[in-house]
Amino acid sequence: DAGITQSPRHKVTETGTPVTLRCHQTENHRYMYWYRQDPGHGLRLIHYSYGVKDTDKGEVSDGYSVSRSKTEDFLLTLESATSSQTSVYFCAISLGSGPYNEQFFGPGTRLTVL
Amino acid sequence: DAKTTQPPSMDCAEGRAANLPCNHSTISGNEYVYWYRQIHSQGPQYIIHGLKNNETNEMASLIITEDRKSSTLILPHATLRDTAVYYCIVRVGDDKIIFGKGTRLHILP
Repeated sequence: DAGITQSPRHKVTETGTPVTLRCHQTENHRYMYWYRQDPGHGLRLIHYSYGVKDTDKGEVSDGYSVSRSKTEDFLLTLESATSSQTSVYFCAISLGSGPYNEQFFGPGTRLTVL
Repeated sequence: DAKTTQPPSMDCAEGRAANLPCNHSTISGNEYVYWYRQIHSQGPQYIIHGLKNNETNEMASLIITEDRKSSTLILPHATLRDTAVYYCIVRVGDDKIIFGKGTRLHILP
């Protein structure tokens, strides 16, 4: 599992509240990613990071921000949660670098926004 | 948009080889073919990848056509635990993974 943990694993919150999801890795991999998965859409990239303090947007970044102040942690924040952000969120890391490398995914966080 | 096309679902009898096709007719020369699978409610799991040559590991074999426009993932002896959604992806380097809808594989006892 490449030492990836996500917290919390489940969360229920109310519309308008801030939410922060944490992805933690233990093996100093440079690249980290946040995806969301919804029925009918598959996995969609929200944000990714290619190093400490280096992040970039994915295909569905509106309403989300990220931070990476140290190699092992990549935080995803919903500043003001909305019901459309109810989803399962997966963190992933890339092993190594170069023209090819596989991604390993965390166990996921199920977020419900009421 | 995903760069690959896969059948939405397939059935395979337990113990038989499961052959999952994927079309990637617009693949570019430096893009690799990756396969992942997702067992219900778990994170996607890496299976195998390849560029030109056929590849085999402990989980599966990957057959890539000579023109690289399609590939087949082979699970040699499917078990009930192989029931999952299988995603075929093309990407290069650390490019983001674009997941399509994949193939839902049902292993029948």
